[in-house]
Amino acid sequence: NAGVTQTPKFQVLKTGQSMTLQCAQDMNHNSMYWYRQDPGMGLRLIYYSASEGTTDKGEVPNGYNVSRLNKREFSLRLESAAPSQTSVYFCASSDVRAGYGYTFGSGTRLTVV
Amino acid sequence: GDSVTQMEGPVTLSEEAFLTINCTYTATGYPSLFWYVQYPGEGLQLLLKATKADDKGSNKGFEATYRKETTSFHLEKGSVQVSDSAVYFCALGGLMNYGGSQGNLIFGKGTKLSVKP
Repeated sequence: NAGVTQTPKFQVLKTGQSMTLQCAQDMNHNSMYWYRQDPGMGLRLIYYSASEGTTDKGEVPNGYNVSRLNKREFSLRLESAAPSQTSVYFCASSDVRAGYGYTFGSGTRLTVV
Repeated sequence: GDSVTQMEGPVTLSEEAFLTINCTYTATGYPSLFWYVQYPGEGLQLLLKATKADDKGSNKGFEATYRKETTSFHLEKGSVQVSDSAVYFCALGGLMNYGGSQGNLIFGKGTKLSVKP
């Protein structure tokens, strides 16, 4: 009954450091997404994966890369973190069987100093 | 392009007051419409949805009706509780966007609701 699991929950990085945010879902959903949430900006799509083996850019992909490791896992990588990437990151999954409603993880709060 | 516009918050109400959060959309085609709720420190949770015109979604006392003629999906609750304090997001989906995935949702910016005892 886990749904979508994100790790870590909190992270502080120094400018220029790299890190990978992990996301896994256990609902056998085909599609997975990475969003960032900033005050006053709502949710903005970074990357998505419509199905295993495919990834595509969303609204704000610059500075990020993703990997759809298998059907369950979809990771987000920051190669060289910048203060502008301070945000809360959410992973989500969906499937036509769920009427395309999303199931979200609980988020990763990232601070870049 | 496709978009969702929500009323700006914050909205502050007293317990047992009537709630309306307005949501209108612009879309080519026939989208599905959703309301999500985000409690403090948590991810978004699906609150309700409607997949075609005149459908009414409902859950936990909240309701929203898909109005094609006014391109709206307003969220309502007859009597709010302190536990309803959260941020509410309207979203549309089931369209071709961001390169063609029908699963992608487009979210409004969210409306923060605070309910005082």
